[in-house]
Amino acid sequence: DTGVSQDPRHKITKRGQNVTFRCDPISEHNRLYWYRQTLGQGPEFLTYFQNEAQLEKSRLLSDRFSAERPKGSFSTLEIQRTEQGDSAMYLCASSWDGSSYNEQFFGPGTRLTVL
Amino acid sequence: AQSVSQHNHHVILSEAASLELGCNYSYGGTVNLFWYVQYPGQHLQLLLKYFSGDPLVKGIKGFEAEFIKSKFSFNLRKPSVQWSDTAEYFCALRGNNRLAFGKGNQVVVIP
Repeated sequence: DTGVSQDPRHKITKRGQNVTFRCDPISEHNRLYWYRQTLGQGPEFLTYFQNEAQLEKSRLLSDRFSAERPKGSFSTLEIQRTEQGDSAMYLCASSWDGSSYNEQFFGPGTRLTVL
Repeated sequence: AQSVSQHNHHVILSEAASLELGCNYSYGGTVNLFWYVQYPGQHLQLLLKYFSGDPLVKGIKGFEAEFIKSKFSFNLRKPSVQWSDTAEYFCALRGNNRLAFGKGNQVVVIP
């Protein structure tokens, strides 16, 4: 399967704990995006990378959130001192900015539940 | 700022009925518009996209959408739905390298 993959698919944690999610984009894609989706809402943009550079961060991304893409391939999203309001589906997408349409392909998401 | 609004969050209809989902956007720049679909248990998939040219765009599985610039709209249509079209549908606008999504339409097709 050459699509976007995310790990883990589900994560249950206690409030105050740190969690880390991983995203593996489609191999030739140089852009990688993180979105968050809560119940009854569409996905909301968090941040994106062009290769290893983090080019934009949403105001939704508080200082408890950090994302990296160290070698321009996979990316990690870490949430420190989780809160119940962090419970959501975290989606990763990737794209190739050399294409005409720069279509974003989405992974299956990581569902986070904070107790 | 870019924003997308979708109406009628829950839609229930019978097989063979026609479907139209509304999407309105707000953005000051060049618009790239998308409809994504999420089938139960699956991830978001692209249904169709509009970048320029013919305002009537055709996508997969018999879906089409019409871009009406004067109305800031990009409505999705399918003349005759099937049970397999049961899914959540999201309209999205791309501006500044990010996608802005609407809240989605939960569509249930009754056999």
